[in-house]
Amino acid sequence: DAGVTQSPTHLIKTRGQQVTLRCSPKSGHDTVSWYQQALGQGPQFIFQYYEEEERQRGNFPDRFSGHQFPNYSSELNVNALLLGDSALYLCASSLDPTTYNEQFFGPGTRLTVL
Amino acid sequence: ILNVEQSPQSLHVQEGDSTNFTCSFPSSNFYALHWYRWETAKSPEALFVMTLNGDEKKKGRISATLNTKEGYSYLYIKGSQPEDSATYLCAFTGTASKLTFGTGTRLQVTL
Repeated sequence: DAGVTQSPTHLIKTRGQQVTLRCSPKSGHDTVSWYQQALGQGPQFIFQYYEEEERQRGNFPDRFSGHQFPNYSSELNVNALLLGDSALYLCASSLDPTTYNEQFFGPGTRLTVL
Repeated sequence: ILNVEQSPQSLHVQEGDSTNFTCSFPSSNFYALHWYRWETAKSPEALFVMTLNGDEKKKGRISATLNTKEGYSYLYIKGSQPEDSATYLCAFTGTASKLTFGTGTRLQVTL
């Protein structure tokens, strides 16, 4: 079992550009959550996808959007990048959103916005 | 706004020392408390999920306790080893299924 995988590992963009990050959940998992970890902070919840729908959303602007595919993989899109979007983006998967919410994390994508 | 706080922010101990960290969280609308271990350049690894007041969990030299009435959890490491060096994150789950994380405790264990 490959666990949760994310791509790319690192990414450098400039202000105003758009970026797409990808996540493949752990085998058998149907729910994907995205988190942003800025320097010196804990991971902050962005949104969660289940059955190809956004179920919950954190306090992030509409520039952050996502998608979940029929195979449960997911993308995180960020438009009009700002310097403050530089962070580590973590994807987490889980089997059922109504359990104790035990989530399994990928290694993250490090985004640098110049 | 949910506040999950962890202390200390960082900790430097010698091999063989025992240590503990604290996580405080809102005591209302509690559903679960999670502890993760996160080594540099790796994925956060789940250590424990705790749901009941008075819960105690143990995995090898690492154990955790939970007090939901007063809103805190302790993580203990007995006889620290260099491989225990990592950031330890706690995360609270309330009525929503998202995780609300603390900022973590960075542990460094030296020989």
